[in-house]
Amino acid sequence: AQSVTQLGSHVSVSEGALVLLRCNYSSSVPPYLFWYVQYPNQGLQLLLKYTSAATLVKGINGFEAEFKKSETSFHLTKPSAHMSDAAEYFCAVSDRGGADGLTFGKGTHLIIQP
Amino acid sequence: DAGVIQSPRHEVTEMGQEVTLRCKPISGHDYLFWYRQTMMRGLELLIYFNNNVPIDDSGMPEDRFSAKMPNASFSTLKIQPSEPRDSAVYFCASSLGGRGYTFGSGTRLTVV
Repeated sequence: AQSVTQLGSHVSVSEGALVLLRCNYSSSVPPYLFWYVQYPNQGLQLLLKYTSAATLVKGINGFEAEFKKSETSFHLTKPSAHMSDAAEYFCAVSDRGGADGLTFGKGTHLIIQP
Repeated sequence: DAGVIQSPRHEVTEMGQEVTLRCKPISGHDYLFWYRQTMMRGLELLIYFNNNVPIDDSGMPEDRFSAKMPNASFSTLKIQPSEPRDSAVYFCASSLGGRGYTFGSGTRLTVV
């Protein structure tokens, strides 16, 4: 069975500082991994996805994530936080690229301090 | 494209009443997913369809929940009878080939 663990339900960083949101996964097959962002009262928007083409994946809004098989991790980073990055972030895993649905982590609420 | 459209955006109902949530996927998408989001359980997959056929409904919590997709442009999620523990945000998502999901804005259901 697949599962996702996001370390830290809340992460607070200063504007301009590095953002690091942690995600570890469990999957019995090579996984497809995703990061989504959710702004208040909105649906989920795809930030980026890993599909085995490259271990470093670049997404929208300056975010990127690195797939590390040895650590079963897919951490999300952004070099410089902006106030508009404040939102809920979800890591998700799928065995079939999403065709069988996604298993989501519990989410990390990112707080940006001015 | 208008994206995935869900209605209503908010629903408040009394315990025991029937509730119907609606979803219009993106035209041409062949997969449709229903998710439920709660503080306690996070985002859970309830059921998904491929070409209007239900493929996996193992996430549907109880027989009180049912979902249909009568055609490629419409799906419903029904709860009958509703209970306070069904209060959650329900999301619909569609995709082409099971990749590149687009989520709707969700329906916030409150059962009192």
